Amino acid sequence: GENVEQHPSTLSVQEGDSAVIKCTYSDSASNYFPWYKQELGKRPQLIIDIRSNVGEKKDQRIAVTLNKTAKHFSLHITETQPEDSAVYFCAASTHSSASKIIFGSGTRLSIRP
Amino acid sequence: DAGVIQSPRHEVTEMGQEVTLRCKPISGHNSLFWYRQTMMRGLELLIYFNNNVPIDDSGMPEDRFSAKMPNASFSTLKIQPSEPRDSAVYFCASHTSGNTIYFGEGSWLTVV
Repeated sequence: GENVEQHPSTLSVQEGDSAVIKCTYSDSASNYFPWYKQELGKRPQLIIDIRSNVGEKKDQRIAVTLNKTAKHFSLHITETQPEDSAVYFCAASTHSSASKIIFGSGTRLSIRP
Repeated sequence: DAGVIQSPRHEVTEMGQEVTLRCKPISGHNSLFWYRQTMMRGLELLIYFNNNVPIDDSGMPEDRFSAKMPNASFSTLKIQPSEPRDSAVYFCASHTSGNTIYFGEGSWLTVV
């Protein structure tokens, strides 16, 4: 079955700097890769996703890249702000009607003022 | 739409008691997932349903856990008997094919 590995488990960056979180997946059939942000005490919420027919997607300060050959994808946050502090999860899915979504182990991002 | 609705939001129970968690998925979504979240193990997929049919329950920890989805708008996750190590946040989530998975607010379970 699918296995998703996520690194690093914790990340601390200076406010204004960039943060990068990386994930790898095992199932070559996976074709949908969402990223979720979870603030303390709240539910995970989608922040950006990418499908296998594109290599990069950007939404304001966040971007995701996908390398299907290497089976890895990354989240990039630029100009980090205090409200970016949260736990971030990557996930992979085969994007079919009966597919399951497997999450990485999460990255706790802290933004230093 | 009100989103994925879970109940109870918080439950404290004694070891050995039965716990039932409930979930109402978003109307029109045909897949429903139960996840468990702990500090040690992160977000674990316990079981998921497609069109009310259990597809994969390989994540269910042991026979004490069971889940049902009697219709498209309701699912339960039951733990009987509960143990302290079951303490966690249990999330229900739903989606339709090819679309975003939406989480409920979670059920915070403490077994003492």
